[in-house]
Amino acid sequence: SAVISQKPSRDICQRGTSLTIQCQVDSQVTMMFWYRQQPGQSLTLIATANQGSEATYESGFVIDKFPISRPNLTFSTLTVSNMSPEDSSIYLCSADFSGNTIYFGEGSWLTVV
Amino acid sequence: AQRVTQPEKLLSVFKGAPVELKCNYSYSGSPELFWYVQYSRQRLQLLLRHISRESIKGFTADLNKGETSFHLKKPFAQEEDSAMYYCALSGKAAGNKLTFGGGTRVLVKP
Repeated sequence: SAVISQKPSRDICQRGTSLTIQCQVDSQVTMMFWYRQQPGQSLTLIATANQGSEATYESGFVIDKFPISRPNLTFSTLTVSNMSPEDSSIYLCSADFSGNTIYFGEGSWLTVV
Repeated sequence: AQRVTQPEKLLSVFKGAPVELKCNYSYSGSPELFWYVQYSRQRLQLLLRHISRESIKGFTADLNKGETSFHLKKPFAQEEDSAMYYCALSGKAAGNKLTFGGGTRVLVKP
């Protein structure tokens, strides 16, 4: 299966600050996705990041709060801006490999205090 | 809009007993259905996808378009099957984005 690496794996942040999560994939993919998993909840798609174009955000998520970069076919970043305790979540990167199979990174556990 | 429903939040079974996790969906078009599993302190892993029609770790799932269901079954549960299971749906009409159900926690007791 594909390898998707995220960092940081875990962080504790002060409210009002921003954190950038990095996602590296071991092969070139067109589509990458960022998900959020709040405590005790299922996964919710934040945005789709395609290389060479602006990220497409889902309802309830905006670029100012969650800016995304996709500089090449193996890398993406998600920034969580101006954090509040409500942003405490696991943030997961995923990528769509050939055959429409989506694999996930280990997740970045974010706690805002 | 596409939606995935997993009606059971928790399933508790004894080792060796059958287990069935229910998943129902709504989607306009031809869906692709998946089951993902998350073991304690591990990443979310793809368990199986309907188009592969395979059995992984003894689990099978059949897509029933008439009932819009994709239930996951295993005839004899093992303790190592204890995990969180998510049913998910994607399709071309939705830009190949995955929509997840709420998840079912399976606890297999010895």
